[in-house]
Amino acid sequence: EAGVTQFPSHSVIEKGQTVTLRCDPISGHDNLYWYRRVMGKEIKFLLHFVKESKQDESGMPNNRFLAERTGGTYSTLKVQPAELEDSGVYFCASSQQGDLITDTQYFGPGTRLTVL
Amino acid sequence: DQQVKQNSPSLSVQEGRISILNCDYTNSMFDYFLWYKKYPAEGPTFLISISSIKDKNEDGRFTVFLNKSAKHLSLHIVPSQPGDSAVYFCAAREYGNKLVFGAGTILRVKS
Repeated sequence: EAGVTQFPSHSVIEKGQTVTLRCDPISGHDNLYWYRRVMGKEIKFLLHFVKESKQDESGMPNNRFLAERTGGTYSTLKVQPAELEDSGVYFCASSQQGDLITDTQYFGPGTRLTVL
Repeated sequence: DQQVKQNSPSLSVQEGRISILNCDYTNSMFDYFLWYKKYPAEGPTFLISISSIKDKNEDGRFTVFLNKSAKHLSLHIVPSQPGDSAVYFCAAREYGNKLVFGAGTILRVKS
C-alpha cells in the first residue's frame, strides 16, 4: 500500500511569488491534515479536511494560505504571496477514521519550502 | 505560547542502555498523548500513545509514562539500539483530531 506522498520535495522561491504544494493521502483515507515545522521548532497544525470539507482550519496563519481538497482525494496548499517567514517543512498526514485514539495519522515526507 | 515542551534538544546514549526522553505540557485539557519518531527526509511515524486515564503504556522496548499531576510524560527505550537514532516528537490531543507537538529531541544511540 502506497503511503502519503507529497510534491515537490523541495521548493525554493522568492518573496512575493506563489507556490502550490500537493499531497496525495493514502487511498481510502477521508481525513487529511496539513502541518508545518519552521526551522527545527515544533510541528504546528494548520488544518484538517474530512473528505472535501474543512473540518478545522484554526491553524492557518493568515489569508495568504489557501488549502483545497476538491473531490476529497488529493489536497493542495497554496501560499500567495509567499513571505520569508513561510519557510519551513510542510507535512501532510492522512487517517482513515476521525478518531485519534483508534486511528493513526500517517505522515508524508514533507515539502521543504525556502522563501528567499 | 508553547503548550508542549521538549526541553532537551538532543540526547546521546550508548547502545544497550536506556534512553529517556521527556516532555512537559501546560494544558490540563489534553486527554491523549503520543510519541512520534522521525528519520531524516521522512515524515514522523507513530510510535506509542497513552490515554490520560492511564499512567503507563508499554510496547516492546518502548514504554511511555504519564504523570498528570506534574503534567509530564516520558518515553523510555530499553535497550537502545543504533536504529533508534532519530528525532522524537511528543504530541498531545487538544480536541478532536488536532495534535499539538513539541519541538522534538534528537536521540543518538552510539554503538
